[in-house]
Amino acid sequence: SAVISQKPSRDICQRGTSLTIQCQVDSQVTMMFWYRQQPGQSLTLIATANQGSEATYESGFVIDKFPISRPNLTFSTLTVSNMSPEDSSIYLCSGGQTYTEAFFGQGTRLTVV
Amino acid sequence: GDSVTQMEGPVTLSEEAFLTINCTYTATGYPSLFWYVQYPGEGLQLLLKATKADDKGSNKGFEATYRKETTSFHLEKGSVQVSDSAVYFCALSDQNRGSTLGRLYFGRGTQLTVWP
Repeated sequence: SAVISQKPSRDICQRGTSLTIQCQVDSQVTMMFWYRQQPGQSLTLIATANQGSEATYESGFVIDKFPISRPNLTFSTLTVSNMSPEDSSIYLCSGGQTYTEAFFGQGTRLTVV
Repeated sequence: GDSVTQMEGPVTLSEEAFLTINCTYTATGYPSLFWYVQYPGEGLQLLLKATKADDKGSNKGFEATYRKETTSFHLEKGSVQVSDSAVYFCALSDQNRGSTLGRLYFGRGTQLTVWP
């Protein structure tokens, strides 16, 4: 199994600013994923990040709003840009060889005021 | 499209009570079904899974049976403990049998609190 460390664990941010969330895996993984859970909603996939290529975004999510980096096989970042209160959510990172064989971080609870 | 509908929470039970958390799904093809659990301060972790109709997944006293006729995958435990207090997520993967490339679709999660 893999251990995934995500930080920050929570943050309160001003609208219009950006926050970068870091995800570190203790072993090399092929795929890394970023999810979002808005209050009362389902956990939803934002994008899939593979090393050496552009992230693949799901419908409703765009690179300008959620730029993702994947510089190597153990690390990824997600930036939430130009934040508004609607971006207040829990953001989850996961990593593994496939979607269903992935391990999850503990999440970042973001509040935008 | 594929989706999961999960029982609204929170659920509060006394220790040793019987637990059911309902989960139904909408999918084409032959999805695999999962239950994940998130304990306080920890990441989601896989609790159990079933990959085809009538399969029963089980782990730590929890069980769920893949019911294609009712498109359901309800989570059950006969006697809950305080340590079972967590958030439980139902999920499906649109992978076809034999493929591991399918993405995950999650429900909204159900908070379970067990009192001593």
